[in-house]
Amino acid sequence: NAGVTQTPKFRVLKTGQSMTLLCAQDMNHEYMYWYRQDPGMGLRLIHYSVGEGTTAKGEVPDGYNVSRLKKQNFLLGLESAAPSQTSVYFCASSYSIAAGSEQFFGPGTRLTVL
Amino acid sequence: DQQVKQNSPSLSVQEGRISILNCDYTNSMFDYFLWYKKYPAEGPTFLISISSIKDKNEDGRFTVFLNKSAKHLSLHIVPSQPGDSAVYFCAAMNYGGSQGNLIFGKGTKLSVKP
Repeated sequence: NAGVTQTPKFRVLKTGQSMTLLCAQDMNHEYMYWYRQDPGMGLRLIHYSVGEGTTAKGEVPDGYNVSRLKKQNFLLGLESAAPSQTSVYFCASSYSIAAGSEQFFGPGTRLTVL
Repeated sequence: DQQVKQNSPSLSVQEGRISILNCDYTNSMFDYFLWYKKYPAEGPTFLISISSIKDKNEDGRFTVFLNKSAKHLSLHIVPSQPGDSAVYFCAAMNYGGSQGNLIFGKGTKLSVKP
């Protein structure tokens, strides 16, 4: 099993450009999450999904959109990138939200917006 | 306002000695706590967790202690090994109402010296 994979690993954008980050999991998990991590900060939740076709806002959703058309995939979109969105983005998935159901994280995507 | 605080950005310990990483929280609704470990250029990986109904959970060299009255938890690593050198994140959740959303601290970088 590959677990949680993220594409791409690195990306440099110019201000105003758009892009989509892809997260895929092969563990048949219902729950998927997108986080961002900035220097000296913990991970902050952007958006999450509790199942195929559902999405919800997290702590820092502004400037991002998400879609969960297939259970195994969770896409994070930036419509008009800004330098403030320079960060490392982590995707995670979990089987349930029950206590003891850990979140499994992907390796991250390092995004730089110039 | 930070709900989960890790006030020590870094900690250096000699191999074989005990490492103690601390975490404080402010939200009394949190009822489940987790520690994640993160190596550079990788995603966080789950280490150990504790429910609010317990005050201690042990897994091999790792023990987490919870003091609910003080809203404080700590991770003990005994004995510390050079491979334990990583950033450790404390995370908390309100199992009953959060859809599995984790609130992370900023992390503590542990260095274990041979």
